[in-house]
Amino acid sequence: QTVVTQEPSLTVSPGGTVTLTCASSTGAVTSGYYPNWFQQKPGQAPRALIYSTSNKHSWTPARFSGSLLGGKAALTLSGVQPEDEAEYYCLLYYGGARVFGGGTKLTVL
Amino acid sequence: QVQLQESGPGLVKPSQTLSLTCTVSGGSISSGGYYWSWIRQHPGKGLEWIGYIYYSGSTYYNPSLKSRVTISVDTSKNQFSLKLTSVTAADTAVYYCARDYAVTTGNAFDIWGQGTMVTVSS
Repeated sequence: QTVVTQEPSLTVSPGGTVTLTCASSTGAVTSGYYPNWFQQKPGQAPRALIYSTSNKHSWTPARFSGSLLGGKAALTLSGVQPEDEAEYYCLLYYGGARVFGGGTKLTVL
Repeated sequence: QVQLQESGPGLVKPSQTLSLTCTVSGGSISSGGYYWSWIRQHPGKGLEWIGYIYYSGSTYYNPSLKSRVTISVDTSKNQFSLKLTSVTAADTAVYYCARDYAVTTGNAFDIWGQGTMVTVSS
């Protein structure tokens, strides 16, 4: 059973920078896992932010960026806004299977 | 602009079959290159990918649910469907449909439905 692990929670100050990570139980995350990142606010469906490690959708704010960092996929928010407070999920591809991480609750305080 | 909308019963009895439909509007489900997925979220918990059906009709399921899941497509109605058999209270969740597709650098999820809550209870 493949497990994808994220930080359960992080706190960041408005205007600050924070990095969320996504690790795989199978080893280092590479671009071949096509990391995707999603944002979910309470009562809403998830919204796609990043695909294939670092690519942004047309609606993704510029302050969000994706990368690989130390064997993990990473989502960095620079110049955090209060409206960025949300749950963030990563997703990795394992051949045909897709596996979500457990999510990171980001608090902006 | 492609949109997805889930529909189906909000209440299912234990041991019965959960059946949901996702209607695709603004585009054809038969367009090449798209994977049509079902995803669920237990109350207060994270996301769990259930499986997909490719535009060609091929499927891939989460191994943990594979024995109980069937995803099918009705191209004439521009819909794809989920059937989950022998449900228990543990299948109570918000069910989402979503789309992903292949790009030159990998795969991308983009569009999600708004989700539908399904409760398993007698």
